[in-house]
Amino acid sequence: DQQVKQNSPSLSVQEGRISILNCDYTNSMFDYFLWYKKYPAEGPTFLISISSIKDKNEDGRFTVFLNKSAKHLSLHIVPSQPGDSAVYFCAASARGTYKYIFGTGTRLKVLA
Amino acid sequence: DADVTQTPRNRITKTGKRIMLECSQTKGHDRMYWYRQDPGLGLRLIYYSFDVKDINKGEISDGYSVSRQAQAKFSLSLESAIPNQTALYFCATSEGADYQPQHFGDGTRLSIL
Repeated sequence: DQQVKQNSPSLSVQEGRISILNCDYTNSMFDYFLWYKKYPAEGPTFLISISSIKDKNEDGRFTVFLNKSAKHLSLHIVPSQPGDSAVYFCAASARGTYKYIFGTGTRLKVLA
Repeated sequence: DADVTQTPRNRITKTGKRIMLECSQTKGHDRMYWYRQDPGLGLRLIYYSFDVKDINKGEISDGYSVSRQAQAKFSLSLESAIPNQTALYFCATSEGADYQPQHFGDGTRLSIL
């Protein structure tokens, strides 16, 4: 049973527009969430995180929103740039487990 | 130089062979992890280690073993490789505290014929 789900395998967005990537989770014990970006032939790189005590965290063009009641988080990229084209993974962790559960990833393509 | 280095980057081998994937890090992190990535399944945790004397199984440890030779080195072994172990393997590290992001190597693409 997949505890972290990214239901959209792919997304295409025009350059300059907003990209919204979604992630749903089922385990109510998760209290820390991260987004990673992965380019081909490279490992995932950490992008942004959010703790369950917050509902929003911002870092430059990247904002993560957390809706605990819906068990849903989203990553907003504004404005989107061609260099943002990559696979994005969300991951979740529960206090004391010291492990992360990853979603299946969403491939974002930003069109110039 | 990369902070987390995986060797080899690519490997093709035959069913039944023993294979070792190696990971070394210069980040000084206590925690190290091995994941595999399969199409449509994301990253799944194979084994993790919080220090040299602490080794733990992840979600999918069957058919794999690990060795933490030093704080900086964590190797993954497939004792007798089978075709469904064909995947992309990643090593990752993190600091020894809650809620720390993981830092990944660039992966090893393993094909078992």
